[in-house]
Amino acid sequence: SQQGEEDPQALSIQEGENATMNCSYKTSINNLQWYRQNSGRGLVHLILIRSNEREKHSGRLRVTLDTSKKSSSLLITASRAADTASYFCATVGKATGRRALTFGSGTRLQVQP
Amino acid sequence: GAVVSQHPSRVICKSGTSVKIECRSLDFQATTMFWYRQFPKQSLMLMATSNEGSKATYEQGVEKDKFLINHASLTLSTLTVTSAHPEDSSFYICSARDSNSYEQYFGPGTRLTVT
Repeated sequence: SQQGEEDPQALSIQEGENATMNCSYKTSINNLQWYRQNSGRGLVHLILIRSNEREKHSGRLRVTLDTSKKSSSLLITASRAADTASYFCATVGKATGRRALTFGSGTRLQVQP
Repeated sequence: GAVVSQHPSRVICKSGTSVKIECRSLDFQATTMFWYRQFPKQSLMLMATSNEGSKATYEQGVEKDKFLINHASLTLSTLTVTSAHPEDSSFYICSARDSNSYEQYFGPGTRLTVT
């Protein structure tokens, strides 16, 4: 079953604005990853944050992780039209040894030029 | 970085026919590969875990006789959709887990349309 829920489901902003997406998950995790997917295309790995980390940066991306609330957020600063895509969080569970990624429901981001 | 390829990228087939999709790790060995399915505007759902040299592990609700998985080598897993129906139309994505680093890398996906 799908582990993560993301909100918002869809987000429309103007170029230059910041976009924040949130992800919640249900079980203990080893790490949480964020992926991007352009319409009809494959996944692009954006960033990985480990369970003992609270915040991580990569270029215009900032990811936070709160394991006590089982939630993560992805912030894209100074958005560009090219950032238009769907964004998914994905986790690898800790307890069961499950190695496959479990994906959140995704946020569809539209950046208006 | 590590590359995973999928072939074909797109396929259209008639209802009742079978379609084989290949997933290859190009520059690393993958003891384990995963097959996901994604319907339009939805997230990726794990279908099965493919293990080299042994039987695949299917997720609940996925018919193993309909979605045949073969992982005959450390760089190739195949997914065969047997007796395809229009409701099998979807985007199928594989990922391969590097046997050394345990990192997972995704293929570009295969768009299956069953008419």
